[in-house]
Amino acid sequence: TQLLEQSPQFLSIQEGENLTVYCNSSSVFSSLQWYRQEPGEGPVLLVTVVTGGEVKKLKRLTFQFGDARKDSSLHITAAQPGDTGLYLCARSSNYKLTFGKGTLLTVNP
Amino acid sequence: GAVVSQHPSWVICKSGTSVKIECRSLDFQATTMFWYRQFPKQSLMLMATSNEGSKATYEQGVEKDKFLINHASLTLSTLTVTSAHPEDSSFYICSAVQGGEQFFGPGTRLTVL
Repeated sequence: TQLLEQSPQFLSIQEGENLTVYCNSSSVFSSLQWYRQEPGEGPVLLVTVVTGGEVKKLKRLTFQFGDARKDSSLHITAAQPGDTGLYLCARSSNYKLTFGKGTLLTVNP
Repeated sequence: GAVVSQHPSWVICKSGTSVKIECRSLDFQATTMFWYRQFPKQSLMLMATSNEGSKATYEQGVEKDKFLINHASLTLSTLTVTSAHPEDSSFYICSAVQGGEQFFGPGTRLTVL
């Protein structure tokens, strides 16, 4: 089983702060996806990274895929309360997703 | 993006009863849908792949006789939790693929008393 380890598990910060969350594995992935899930809702896809070393930006969110395609990070700049949620990384195999345990982010106003 | 709905959004039932959860793709057809389960403060775990017109395929450790899946049309898959017990209480989420991207339903919160 190709496990995805996410860290930190919990993160509580103040509005305006920056943060980085990580997704690591011992296995190489052809691609990696990041999702955000709000309480009581299904996950929503944020980004898919495919190429080693790839960096993608989505407004204040910056996603990076490691050169060896074994790890990824999500950096949020100037976090806002609306960023609060569970951030999940996942690998896909024929559209069957295996998720990491997630990072629960709370941004306090 | 594509829209996936689930019904009901929450359900409370007595132990031993069966509960049916519906997953619909509202604006597209989905030959394949997926069912996930999420326990409190945990991640999503894939339960099964629902295939239109054929039997569902279940992940290891998921009882196919307990979690009955029917995918009778290109827009509807149902998950029936049979003889539910308190340990089946969870958040059940379905998803469908459209345009190479997976879209999730809003989930169904099942509480078994």
